[in-house]
Amino acid sequence: GAGVSQTPSNKVTEKGKYVELRCDPISGHTALYWYRQSLGQGPEFLIYFQGTGAADDSGLPNDRFFAVRPEGSVSTLKIQRTERGDSAVYLCASGAGTSTDTQYFGPGTRLTVL
Amino acid sequence: EDQVTQSPEALRLQEGESSSLNCSYTVSGLRGLFWYRQDPGKGPEFLFTLYSAGEEKEKERLKATLTKKESFLHITAPKPEDSATYLCAVPKYNFNKFYFGSGTKLNVKP
Repeated sequence: GAGVSQTPSNKVTEKGKYVELRCDPISGHTALYWYRQSLGQGPEFLIYFQGTGAADDSGLPNDRFFAVRPEGSVSTLKIQRTERGDSAVYLCASGAGTSTDTQYFGPGTRLTVL
Repeated sequence: EDQVTQSPEALRLQEGESSSLNCSYTVSGLRGLFWYRQDPGKGPEFLFTLYSAGEEKEKERLKATLTKKESFLHITAPKPEDSATYLCAVPKYNFNKFYFGSGTKLNVKP
């Protein structure tokens, strides 16, 4: 079926604004991960969902970042009071949720905070 | 400290010139090591998973190997279309968290 999709592909916002980034995982995948990737760096873990619950949110940098996955499928990453340092590509990945899991990534959302 | 380190940061090869990329890790309790390819403006694309020391996997011109402390991605007779950033990742615990290296940017000249 279809791969992981993310919307929007690009988001430009002003400092202090609120943004929402959406991820549609591969159908049937119970595991969902959010990462942040800065230029020239590898993806940095933010949060992991298994089903509807956030099983590990240790990578969220501060309380301005929040993510939900209310029905165990689509997930939304929410960033309040955006700062210029939040500018990055935000990647979503999904997996089957097994003990030998492989992640499949979406194309990412490029967030620019002016 | 859990860490994944990749070297070199960048590698320029002539078409047909074989080489190897390195991924070393200090993440405790190996659950597997993953290799990805990332093209500019795209998300990482899965290549291989290695689960135990001594394991090897191949795909076209790529071969990945794993020891207890590092993994190598060998590229044999590369072509320009192999140009990309290659990332490795190691999971923590029950795959609830992955640590990625910074990647090796490979450029293969015709």
